[in-house]
Amino acid sequence: KAGVTQTPRYLIKTRGQQVTLSCSPISGHRSVSWYQQTPGQGLQFLFEYFSETQRNKGNFPGRFSGRQFSNSRSEMNVSTLELGDSALYLCASSFTGGTYNEQFFGPGTRLTVL
Amino acid sequence: AQSVTQLGSHVSVSEGALVLLRCNYSSSVPPYLFWYVQYPNQGLQLLLKYTTGATLVKGINGFEAEFKKSETSFHLTKPSAHMSDAAEYFCAVSLIQGAQKLVFGQGTRLTINP
Repeated sequence: KAGVTQTPRYLIKTRGQQVTLSCSPISGHRSVSWYQQTPGQGLQFLFEYFSETQRNKGNFPGRFSGRQFSNSRSEMNVSTLELGDSALYLCASSFTGGTYNEQFFGPGTRLTVL
Repeated sequence: AQSVTQLGSHVSVSEGALVLLRCNYSSSVPPYLFWYVQYPNQGLQLLLKYTTGATLVKGINGFEAEFKKSETSFHLTKPSAHMSDAAEYFCAVSLIQGAQKLVFGQGTRLTINP
């Protein structure tokens, strides 16, 4: 079974631009979560989507948004990029059938904002 | 609010020595606890998890952790370090069953000396 894939793996943008990152979960997984990883703040939860609905949200400004499609693939968007948005963005998928299900992480997208 | 504290941002041990990575959590209700490992330029891989039941949890690659409610701790151990264990390790907590939202500690970078 293929793992979680994220595209692109690396991205360079300039301040003020917007960016879209993509995540394809493991086949059969219906939940997709997004995390931001930076040296200063560590790993922080952005949001989780399940069956095309946002189920949980972290403490990030509205510039960060996401969506999930009917095939469970997910995208996150960051508008009006700031230097501080430079980070590794990790996506994780899980089956979510009731009791806690393990989250499987992708390799991440490294975003650099210049 | 739930939080996770990992004592020691860097730990260095000799090959063959005991590995002990410390994790304490704050929670007013029984949590779900996890240890993840991250190798350079990769996503996170689950080492082990505690949800319910036995407090001593065995994971992959010879790692284990013990949930101690009285000490609010979930320390990770491995009897004999191997060079391939060099990586960054993250302790994480989730309070809500089925919720795919993890709160991570700041991470501990493990170095193995030959």
